[in-house]
Amino acid sequence: GQSLEQPSEVTAVEGAIVQINCTYQTSGFYGLSWYQQHDGGAPTFLSYNALDGLEETGRFSSFLSRSDSYGYLLLQELQMKDSASYFCAVRGLDSNYQLIWGAGTKLIIKP
Amino acid sequence: NAGVTQTPKFRVLKTGQSMTLLCAQDMNHEYMYWYRQDPGMGLRLIHYSVGEGTTAKGEVPDGYNVSRLKKQNFLLGLESAAPSQTSVYFCASSDGTSGLSPYEQFFGPGTRLTVL
Repeated sequence: GQSLEQPSEVTAVEGAIVQINCTYQTSGFYGLSWYQQHDGGAPTFLSYNALDGLEETGRFSSFLSRSDSYGYLLLQELQMKDSASYFCAVRGLDSNYQLIWGAGTKLIIKP
Repeated sequence: NAGVTQTPKFRVLKTGQSMTLLCAQDMNHEYMYWYRQDPGMGLRLIHYSVGEGTTAKGEVPDGYNVSRLKKQNFLLGLESAAPSQTSVYFCASSDGTSGLSPYEQFFGPGTRLTVL
């Protein structure tokens, strides 16, 4: 089967750096995506890694290593507004534009 | 552009009642999806569509039906609501050929459904 695993909760301090990991078991996929969801809101797209390596978008970076079946989202200079749930997702080779979703990581930021 | 819109935003049903959730997108996307999200959990795919007139089952299709008669609209129906269908329902759309990620999904604001 195909599955993605993320920590259920991560706590960090405002201004710090935090890494949210995503490990997966899948026979093959096109790329790793990350979405952010604030409480009561809808998921919004953050980043996509088609190739191995680091992709940087402002304070957020995402990393993929296919050989290690592993990816992570790195958030720098944490702000209180970054308190949200973060989901990793992949599209499997045999899917039809469906995404396979992780269960999400709730990021709690303390002042 | 409004993006993806959903109606209604909130609804309370009694067990056995039926209802239809409407999703509309104005981005000319081919692909549309219906998800449910239960408290503290991730997204589970109910049904999806890869184009006008097509539908397919996702991970948790039982108790739901869908239709995609027009490209911009994707309807989710509950024929006989059950308390287990209490959830937040999200519609999403995607275009396989554009965007930061060809698989980026754009979500509506959600419908909060309670079945008593």
